[in-house]
Amino acid sequence: VQLVESGGGLVQPGKSLKLSCSASGFTFSSYGMHWIRQAPGKGLDWVAYISSSSGTVYADAVKGRFTISRDNAKNTLYLQLNSLKSEDTAIYYCARSSLQWWGQGVMVTVSS
Amino acid sequence: DVVLTQTPPTLSATIGQSVSISCRSSQSLLHSNGNTYLNWLLQRPGQPPQLLIYLVSRLESGVPNRFSGSGSGTDFTLKISGVEAEDLGVYYCVQSTHAPWTFGGGTKLELK
Repeated sequence: VQLVESGGGLVQPGKSLKLSCSASGFTFSSYGMHWIRQAPGKGLDWVAYISSSSGTVYADAVKGRFTISRDNAKNTLYLQLNSLKSEDTAIYYCARSSLQWWGQGVMVTVSS
Repeated sequence: DVVLTQTPPTLSATIGQSVSISCRSSQSLLHSNGNTYLNWLLQRPGQPPQLLIYLVSRLESGVPNRFSGSGSGTDFTLKISGVEAEDLGVYYCVQSTHAPWTFGGGTKLELK
């Protein structure tokens, strides 16, 4: 099993960014997937979940601004981040449903 | 949202010492299906978290049996029977009984 995040970087407040998580080594379409973030020096913060049937759940802090989606044909999970705030600065991890497998994470920095 | 309170926030131990970490939930984590969705993770410095224990007490494959989990309802404990150097890092409990998923604040295990 391998999960590889990409798409992070430095972005200004109010702007948008789209993260990707490429999955391999398992039947991607059969599993729910999470995005979880970690601000610098802080603890883990659950962001969003998408089920194998594409049902979604969001943390209140990102509801209406972030969108989780998946493309089973490409074995890829996405997180669209809109209206970014400085408090969204964090390492963003994708993880498989039971948190058994995690990616290495991608850094998102929101700053002017 | 469910609040998970971990104690202590920091734990100093010598190699070979046995230690315990507590995780208390603001509401029962017993799901209507009879399962209790409480997991334990370890995050070593500079690494993504790894799953140690799931469903309160089930040891993840490949995790040494010096790790054990116990508890029910709102009170849970992770025990390490004989700390080894590779066990140092931050431990998190996480619940998925109630949406949204929530993490405890973490317990940092360091060498005395």
